[in-house]
Amino acid sequence: GDSVTQMEGPVTLSEEAFLTINCTYTATGYPSLFWYVQYPGEGLQLLLKATKADDKGSNKGFEATYRKETTSFHLEKGSVQVSDSAVYFCALSLIQGAQKLVFGQGTRLTINP
Amino acid sequence: DADVTQTPRNRITKTGKRIMLECSQTKGHDRMYWYRQDPGLGLRLIYYSFDVKDINKGEISDGYSVSRQAQAKFSLSLESAIPNQTALYFCATGSSRTDTQYFGPGTRLTVL
Repeated sequence: GDSVTQMEGPVTLSEEAFLTINCTYTATGYPSLFWYVQYPGEGLQLLLKATKADDKGSNKGFEATYRKETTSFHLEKGSVQVSDSAVYFCALSLIQGAQKLVFGQGTRLTINP
Repeated sequence: DADVTQTPRNRITKTGKRIMLECSQTKGHDRMYWYRQDPGLGLRLIYYSFDVKDINKGEISDGYSVSRQAQAKFSLSLESAIPNQTALYFCATGSSRTDTQYFGPGTRLTVL
């Protein structure tokens, strides 16, 4: 079945450090890929997405590139801020059918000043 | 005002009680979803609905039921709550024109 595997957390970094959160997927068909972010006490909100191979999604300094050959969608940011502390979820959605989201387990990120 | 609202935001109940969680949206979306979030497991789909007359089970529907009262309202019921249903529950909406989903703030449910 379709699945998403994320880098184990929690991850703790210092402000201005480089961030990578790994995400790999297994899917039949051609999924869209997403990163959602959950700030403390809030619901999930879309951070970025990519709908086909080699697309790069970007938002708020975060980037992720859809790599079909490695079935990956790693999240990166060059210089993190304390305000980036949150839980990050990688997810996929199959374009065909029900457009259900399949989530990874989430990675908790803490940025220290 | 929030586009997707959930009530209540927090609920503590006892084993065997019937509980209803409600979700309303003002986004005009036709699709609505219920997920539960457990630590270390991400979000898992309970039920989803593509319109008022279309209800579908997700991967973990046992012990839950839903009602789509109108395009804007989608309720989740636990007929007889049990402790392992303690979790954070999220409602989400979507459109047939996009694969992005929009989430409510969540309901924290504790079953004692």
